Amino acid sequence: AQKITQTQPGMFVQEKEAVTLDCTYDTSDPSYGLFWYKQPSSGEMIFLIYQGSYDQQNATEGRYSLNFQKARKSANLVISASQLGDSAMYFCAMREGGTGGSYIPTFGRGTSLIVHP
Amino acid sequence: SAVISQKPSRDICQRGTSLTIQCQVDSQVTMMFWYRQQPGQSLTLIATANQGSEATYESGFVIDKFPISRPNLTFSTLTVSNMSPEDSSIYLCSVVAVGFQETQYFGPGTRLLVL
Repeated sequence: AQKITQTQPGMFVQEKEAVTLDCTYDTSDPSYGLFWYKQPSSGEMIFLIYQGSYDQQNATEGRYSLNFQKARKSANLVISASQLGDSAMYFCAMREGGTGGSYIPTFGRGTSLIVHP
Repeated sequence: SAVISQKPSRDICQRGTSLTIQCQVDSQVTMMFWYRQQPGQSLTLIATANQGSEATYESGFVIDKFPISRPNLTFSTLTVSNMSPEDSSIYLCSVVAVGFQETQYFGPGTRLLVL
C-alpha cells in the first residue's frame, strides 16, 4: 500500500490566490515526520516545511503552512498569495520512527502546480 | 541547513560509457544518500553512502552498476556504469542533518542524458 498519497497530479491557481495541495499518509508508527519539498524545472529539491507527529500546532514557514489533521492522516500544504515563482512540482514525504529511527523518507508522486498571472 | 553542491550539473553521454557524479557538503553530516528521478517520476532511493565502507543498496540497484564511494563525512561519489538510455535521469545527492527535525536536504541534482 502507498504510504504517501498525493491525489492531485496537477493544480492551477491564479496569482495572489491561495492553493491547497493534498497529501495523505499511512503509518502505524506513532512517531513520524512529514515534509514538503518544491522541485522547480531546474530539478533541485527545495525543503519547504516540516511537521512532527507530536507537534501540537500546524507548522508555518512564511507563505507556507501545513494543515495537519492527525486523525485523518492528512498533511496538506497551503500556499498563500501564490506567486509565479511557485510554479513547480511539490512532493510530500514521510519519515517514520522519530529521532533515531529511519532517516529515509517515503515520497509521494508529486503534484504539479501552475500559477497563472 | 546543509549546503550541498554536485558536479557535473548536467551531462550528455554515450551508451556504454560511465559517469562519476560528485557530491560535496559544507558541513559534516552523518547520513548521505543517492536518489534517482526518472522523467516525470518521483524520487527513488539508490543507496545510502556509508563512510569508509560499502554503500547500502536498495532493491533493484547493485554495486556493479552504481558504485559509490564516501571517503569522509562531507564527500561522496556515485558512478553510473555502462550507461544505457534508461539511465537518463536526474541524480540527486541528499544528506540528513541529524538533530533538530532531522530534515533531509538535497543537492541541485545532475541531469544525465544517455544517447
